[in-house]
Amino acid sequence: GAVVSQHPSRVICKSGTSVKIECRSLDFQATTMFWYRQFPKQSLMLMATSNEGSKATYEQGVEKDKFLINHASLTLSTLTVTSAHPEDSSFYICSASPDKYEQYFGPGTRLTVT
Amino acid sequence: AQSVAQPEDQVNVAEGNPLTVKCTYSVSGNPYLFWYVQYPNRGLQFLLKYITGDNLVKGSYGFEAEFNKSQTSFHLKKPSALVSDSALYFCAVRASNAGNMLTFGGGTRLMVKP
Repeated sequence: GAVVSQHPSRVICKSGTSVKIECRSLDFQATTMFWYRQFPKQSLMLMATSNEGSKATYEQGVEKDKFLINHASLTLSTLTVTSAHPEDSSFYICSASPDKYEQYFGPGTRLTVT
Repeated sequence: AQSVAQPEDQVNVAEGNPLTVKCTYSVSGNPYLFWYVQYPNRGLQFLLKYITGDNLVKGSYGFEAEFNKSQTSFHLKKPSALVSDSALYFCAVRASNAGNMLTFGGGTRLMVKP
């Protein structure tokens, strides 16, 4: 149980285009989902917290107009990187939380912007 | 504010020997503590957590961790390391009264040599 999927696992896009990453909780309902960014050999940096049906809460320094987050249902959240640039290349990881204790992590999405 | 420190960037241990990965934390109120493992290009896998109860917590793959309130530590241990344990390990904390947003340590790379 408690499986979280991400799609795609790897994506290459051209500079200036937008990319959407999906995060799904497969066997539980997630009232809260989190989006993280991880740079090589570094820890996870929380980008935003999203609750189903409401606007995401972004961490300081994260551009909400560039990283659009939608939490349309209790099992799906999407992160759209708009007008991507090479500096947006990173490993993006989502997590989903069914309660106040646990976060279950997705396998991550490697984004490369050329 | 809550924070986590993993003082060692890398820990090297020989296969069959015991291993310890250190973690100290700072949080207001009672802590919820977690350990996760990450393999290359993968998301985080949950190892164990401390919420309340016994200070010694047993988790997946033979790992355990001891909550020490006086030293504000939650070191990860395993009696006998395997080469397959080589990975990146993250300690995380959240306050019991602060929602379910986790703060991660910087990570410790564990290298187990045959």
